[in-house]
Amino acid sequence: ELKVEQNPLFLSMQEGKNYTIYCNYSTTSDRLYWYRQDPGKSLESLFVLLSNGAVKQEGRLMASLDTKARLSTLHITAAVHDLSATYFCAVVYGNKLVFGAGTILRVKS
Amino acid sequence: GAGVSQSPSNKVTEKGKDVELRCDPISGHTALYWYRQRLGQGLEFLIYFQGNSAPDKSGLPSDRFSAERTGESVSTLTIQRTQQEDSAVYLCASSLGTSAYNEQFFGPGTRLTVL
Repeated sequence: ELKVEQNPLFLSMQEGKNYTIYCNYSTTSDRLYWYRQDPGKSLESLFVLLSNGAVKQEGRLMASLDTKARLSTLHITAAVHDLSATYFCAVVYGNKLVFGAGTILRVKS
Repeated sequence: GAGVSQSPSNKVTEKGKDVELRCDPISGHTALYWYRQRLGQGLEFLIYFQGNSAPDKSGLPSDRFSAERTGESVSTLTIQRTQQEDSAVYLCASSLGTSAYNEQFFGPGTRLTVL
């Protein structure tokens, strides 16, 4: 059974600072998603990472995938308040996605 | 175009009652998924439909849970004899294609509260 672990589970950041969220998974998979969820809302797809060494960037967020280490990172550069949300990684496993528990990000002014 | 829609958006019910949750997938999407999200937690897979194939029910937590889908259209998730631990947000997603390798698009969810 695939396990997906995210850390940290809660992150309080100052505006302008950098930080990284980590996503480890226990079984081989070659596709990983990052989603954003705002309070009371559904999930918004941020990135799809398809292969080892994949790196994608959108604005202040950059995601990478190391399939050998079974590790993905979501790096936040110069955080702004609008990035406050919960971030989930999800790994393809058979017919389904297996989600991490989520990282609650709060960016303080 | 229209995204995945779900109804109702909120449902409050008494313990022991049955509830039905509805999902309208994106038109043309052959795959449909149901997930459960408990407060402060990630999503748990419940069930997967792909066209007219037999559904993957491996995530259903008990025989009180069932789901139906006719062809590639609407799906209903039914919870019988609801319990307080069933309180959660139930999210539906749909995708093109035949596997979880196709990106899933999520609906807004139904928040179920069992008193």
